[in-house]
Amino acid sequence: QSALTQPRSVSGSPGQSVTISCTGTSSDVGAYNYVSWYQQYPGKAPKVMVYDVSKRPSGVPDRFSGSKSGNTASLTISGLQAEDEADYYCCSFAGSYTLWVFGGGTKLTVL
Amino acid sequence: QLQLQESGPGLVKPSETLSLTCTVSGGSISGSTYFWDWIRQPPGKGLEWIGHIYYSGTTFYTPSLKSRVSISVDTSKNQFSLKLNSVTAADTAVYYCARHLDKSSLIDYWGQGALVTVSS
Repeated sequence: QSALTQPRSVSGSPGQSVTISCTGTSSDVGAYNYVSWYQQYPGKAPKVMVYDVSKRPSGVPDRFSGSKSGNTASLTISGLQAEDEADYYCCSFAGSYTLWVFGGGTKLTVL
Repeated sequence: QLQLQESGPGLVKPSETLSLTCTVSGGSISGSTYFWDWIRQPPGKGLEWIGHIYYSGTTFYTPSLKSRVSISVDTSKNQFSLKLNSVTAADTAVYYCARHLDKSSLIDYWGQGALVTVSS
């Protein structure tokens, strides 16, 4: 069982928006503004889409946005495109003992 | 462009030690801005952070693997390495090395991953 809870799957039609949640606790997501999101295609390495809750690396489309409320972080993808179909993982700092934990991953299907 | 490449045996016997090396090219492993991570992914499953090392040799490990894992760095070769001992089938996974910005959740460069199978 992963430390952070994500829905196993979400789906949306092209052009729509989808939000993927990442629920932790007051010891990880809720305690620090160190949450990142990764996109992973089958057989490929993950790619960072959002870091430090809401920052976007250069080259990542602004269709991808991150936020946090309490113990839950969210990744919103607006204007869905077929190429967004992938697995998405959240990651959070969890303190000086555990350090970094990942969510179980969410499979995004573009209908 | 920074590149990371994992290397090592793809098959390890149960109870033996898994050893992987990550070679960094296109940039220096030394410097105060980054940690160097090992992350793994069992087939069909999610990501698990294993641990990371600073260029000075300071290490941090996830508690569940701390008793079996060791990460080291060789700045002269621009490499860092992972050793995981007493492996079982549960350690079968794709192992990734990656660069992790200090004081941030940004893991910005990843290797392509190395599949390590634990089997007799």
